[in-house]
Amino acid sequence: NAGVTQTPKFQVLKTGQSMTLQCAQDMNHNSMYWYRQDPGMGLRLIYYSASEGTTDKGEVPNGYNVSRLNKREFSLRLESAAPSQTSVYFCASNRLADSTDTQYFGPGTRLTVL
Amino acid sequence: ILNVEQSPQSLHVQEGDSTNFTCSFPSSNFYALHWYRWETAKSPEALFVMTLNGDEKKKGRISATLNTKEGYSYLYIKGSQPEDSATYLCAFWSVSNYQLIWGAGTKLIIKP
Repeated sequence: NAGVTQTPKFQVLKTGQSMTLQCAQDMNHNSMYWYRQDPGMGLRLIYYSASEGTTDKGEVPNGYNVSRLNKREFSLRLESAAPSQTSVYFCASNRLADSTDTQYFGPGTRLTVL
Repeated sequence: ILNVEQSPQSLHVQEGDSTNFTCSFPSSNFYALHWYRWETAKSPEALFVMTLNGDEKKKGRISATLNTKEGYSYLYIKGSQPEDSATYLCAFWSVSNYQLIWGAGTKLIIKP
């Protein structure tokens, strides 16, 4: 089992460029999440998908869109990148979006927007 | 706005010493508190999920306690080893928006 995989691992963009971060899990999990992690701050939820076919905004959704392509895959799109989106992005998944189910994380994507 | 605070931000501990650090969270509408360990260049990994006031969980030399009435949890590491060097994250389950609210973490560095 690969667990949660993310591509790419690193990316440098210019302001205004677009890109899609890919995430896939092979654990048959129902729920998937996109977080960003900035220095000195906790993980902040961008969007999540409680189950296939649904997506919901998290704490910091502005400037991002998501697609739950199927049960395995959940992508994050930056339509017009801004320097404020420079961050490390983590995808996570779990069986159910409830209070006690632990989340499994991917290796992260380090994004720099110039 | 729900806030989860972790202290200290960073901690240097001599190998072999024991240490502890704190996670503070809202004491109302408590459902669950999670602890994760995040080693450099790796992904965060779950340590404990705690749900009951007075709960104590243990995994090897690492243990955690929970006080939901006053809104804090302690993580203890006994006899620190170099492999314990990591950032320890706690996360509070928010019933108002059905998501985990994360603290900024405590970065633990073990000095040999």
